Amino acid sequence: DAKTTQPTSMDCAEGRAANLPCNHSTISGNEYVYWYRQIHSQGPQYIIHGLKNNETNEMASLIITEDRKSSTLILPHATLRDTAVYYCIVRVAGGSQGNLIFGKGTKLSVKP
Amino acid sequence: NAGVTQTPKFQVLKTGQSMTLQCAQDMNHEYMSWYRQDPGMGLRLIHYSVGAGITDQGEVPNGYNVSRSTTEDFPLRLLSAAPSQTSVYFCASSYSGRGDGYTFGSGTRLTVV
Repeated sequence: DAKTTQPTSMDCAEGRAANLPCNHSTISGNEYVYWYRQIHSQGPQYIIHGLKNNETNEMASLIITEDRKSSTLILPHATLRDTAVYYCIVRVAGGSQGNLIFGKGTKLSVKP
Repeated sequence: NAGVTQTPKFQVLKTGQSMTLQCAQDMNHEYMSWYRQDPGMGLRLIHYSVGAGITDQGEVPNGYNVSRSTTEDFPLRLLSAAPSQTSVYFCASSYSGRGDGYTFGSGTRLTVV
């Protein structure tokens, strides 16, 4: 079973920030939070990951709460091309014991 | 670099037929895995490999066979196709299984009639 809980769907206006929440209340100390997205049935694409500090890259920002039980992926200026299913995944950093286990994710619809 | 290449892109099989889905990567990745995605669902892990000659089962391995004779290739065999195997199949590879390093292929859309 997936270790995360995400809303089924969300809408966002084009140009606005998209904030996608993820609950992972049973996360272990050595587990990271990873975000992938899947655009229109293409293969999933890595976005960002973090352990306990907030992270930012060219695609997004990741905010992890202090107790690490939840996190939020932020797309600062959503575009129509960001319409996709976003998956929040919790696992250890490396090794096969933590293969990527996907839940159903959040379907983000960016509207003009 | 081509990344992860899957062939064929589309396939229709009759019940009981067998076939092999091909997956090749040119990134010298040790880890390779196969997922299936049914409509409206997330991806489910079928089989994975941590290196040439080593394979293991994922969440939904029944009806599928894999082998890993080279680092580059990780074929998925359907032994006797069933309608329940109608799905989109994705192959992925990763350097050392790092969670941020998975590269996915574009998928094979399989219909079993």
